[in-house]
Amino acid sequence: DAGVTQSPTHLIKTRGQQVTLRCSPKSGHDTVSWYQQALGQGPQFIFQYYEEEERQRGNFPDRFSGHQFPNYSSELNVNALLLGDSALYLCASSLAGGFRNTIYFGEGSWLTVV
Amino acid sequence: AQKVTQAQTEISVVEKEDVTLDCVYETRDTTYYLFWYKQPPSGELVFLIRRNSFDEQNEISGRYSWNFQKSTSSFNFTITASQVVDSAVYFCALSDLFGGSARQLTFGSGTQLTVLP
Repeated sequence: DAGVTQSPTHLIKTRGQQVTLRCSPKSGHDTVSWYQQALGQGPQFIFQYYEEEERQRGNFPDRFSGHQFPNYSSELNVNALLLGDSALYLCASSLAGGFRNTIYFGEGSWLTVV
Repeated sequence: AQKVTQAQTEISVVEKEDVTLDCVYETRDTTYYLFWYKQPPSGELVFLIRRNSFDEQNEISGRYSWNFQKSTSSFNFTITASQVVDSAVYFCALSDLFGGSARQLTFGSGTQLTVLP
């Protein structure tokens, strides 16, 4: 049973560039959320996708956008990168409905903006 | 607004000691989930436990145990007979519910646990 998988694992981008991060949810899960974790801090919620629509969004600028595909996989796009966007980006998946759902995380994508 | 406070930034213990990680939360919701995650240096958040707001039964799983007290808004985590492999950052998190599903997680700032041999 594959868990949450993310790619790429590490990447370095230049300020002003654009980046796309990818996530495949755990088998059977239909909901994907993205989090940003700066060094030494707890993860911060970016947004959540369900049925290919953004269901909830955290306090992040429009430079952060996402997409969910029919197979439930998801992408996170960040435009006009800033040095402050350097962080670990975590993808989480869960199954909508039913109170026993659990949220699982991938290993993350380490983004460095120089 | 939801808030999670982990007052202990760093804890260091010697192997085989018991250690308790504190978590205090704030929410206006009457139903919610509480979580504990472990984050080793690799970065992946490893799920440890989820507790529903209407289930205050404490739980023990091997060397791990959790004490949920709604009256004090606390959800503390205890590791018995700690081991070096327990060294990691531990996060407490809170989630509201929508249609019975957990939505966004609000995390505390984490507690770095170091277990010395």
